[in-house]
Amino acid sequence: DAGITQSPRHKVTETGTPVTLRCHQTENHRYMYWYRQDPGHGLRLIHYSYGVKDTDKGEVSDGYSVSRSKTEDFLLTLESATSSQTSVYFCAISESSGGGSGANVLTFGAGSRLTVL
Amino acid sequence: AQSVTQLGSHVSVSEGALVLLRCNYSSSVPPYLFWYVQYPNQGLQLLLKYTSAATLVKGINGFEAEFKKSETSFHLTKPSAHMSDAAEYFCAVSPPNTGNQFYFGTGTSLTVIP
Repeated sequence: DAGITQSPRHKVTETGTPVTLRCHQTENHRYMYWYRQDPGHGLRLIHYSYGVKDTDKGEVSDGYSVSRSKTEDFLLTLESATSSQTSVYFCAISESSGGGSGANVLTFGAGSRLTVL
Repeated sequence: AQSVTQLGSHVSVSEGALVLLRCNYSSSVPPYLFWYVQYPNQGLQLLLKYTSAATLVKGINGFEAEFKKSETSFHLTKPSAHMSDAAEYFCAVSPPNTGNQFYFGTGTSLTVIP
């Protein structure tokens, strides 16, 4: 169990307000990711991190920023939320799949459902 | 960039019938391949993975998938569908030279008809 906790699990906010979602992991994994899930689009990568203070953009990063000041926490911030950012947000970590293959697998948190009115 | 295609955004099968969910990838180098399952209002759970060992991979809940390099496919099957298999299924790939880049298909919603 990768011990991934997302908070809040549900949030309703208004257009133009800032929102921060938190992802917390307990096992010191180096790589952490934020995805959004929308019908018809599957999972799309927003940002990812490969270490403390090391982050990079994904395919849908506009309107989002991230921070990682500690190994265990990866924060996703919507500076000014818009209705198009209504979605379910998933945090994930990358960990070894075992067996000596060199492959990693993603393990996901339970998700944060954000509604922007 | 990698791409993953899941044919059929919605698949319906009768209880007890064969489940076949299709996944094709685009890559000149065989990637690592994964199937994830998402039950309603839950996160994604790893169903099975191909990491360049046996081409026929067995996963949880009776699912299996076969890696076919010539067809660039990694279709998911289960001989007999159960009501509890109703969920969203995602195929994903990870290029072997990156280790930490993952690309997902758009998902297939499986309905099981009693």
